[in-house]
Amino acid sequence: KQEVTQIPAALSVPEGENLVLNCSFTDSAIYNLQWFRQDPGKGLTSLLLIQSSQREQTSGRLNASLDKSSGRSTLYIAASQPGDSATYLCAVPPPSGTYKYIFGTGTRLKVLA
Amino acid sequence: GAVVSQHPSWVICKSGTSVKIECRSLDFQATTMFWYRQFPKQSLMLMATSNEGSKATYEQGVEKDKFLINHASLTLSTLTVTSAHPEDSSFYICSASTGQGISSTDTQYFGPGTRLTVL
Repeated sequence: KQEVTQIPAALSVPEGENLVLNCSFTDSAIYNLQWFRQDPGKGLTSLLLIQSSQREQTSGRLNASLDKSSGRSTLYIAASQPGDSATYLCAVPPPSGTYKYIFGTGTRLKVLA
Repeated sequence: GAVVSQHPSWVICKSGTSVKIECRSLDFQATTMFWYRQFPKQSLMLMATSNEGSKATYEQGVEKDKFLINHASLTLSTLTVTSAHPEDSSFYICSASTGQGISSTDTQYFGPGTRLTVL
């Protein structure tokens, strides 16, 4: 059974810092991995989708890497801003290859001005 | 593009009543729609998957008669919480996908969520 864990559960940093969010999954047979952002009381916004054949994806100040063999993905946020404050979730499809996602536990990020 | 809406955004109801939540894909046809439930400070848990014109597939532990799902068209799915009780209070999020299988390029587009409070 695929399990997805995110560390740390919560993070508070001063503005301008570069930071790394971690996502671990137990079964490496994944098709892709997706990072989402969720603002309080809101739905999800897709940030980055990494295919299993890729090692990383970049969008603006965000960079996500994927290491299937070790069951890990990291989301790197450069020069953090208060507007980055949100909960960040990673999600993977289960090994059976169905299209439903298994979500991680999330990292609650607060960037202080 | 790829916008998913939900209505209502929040609803308060009395115990014992039924509540319907709508999920619409505004600018694409969604072959598959998903319904998730999220408790405070917890991650999303998939409740069911629905394909247009067919019965929904429910995850283990989710009561089919409690959470009625209808996917009547390629742009609309509804979740009805029947005989709601306070323990049904939660944040319900839908997502929609143009895919229906295991394509590695399939992605889900998420709605803004509906907060249900049952008194």
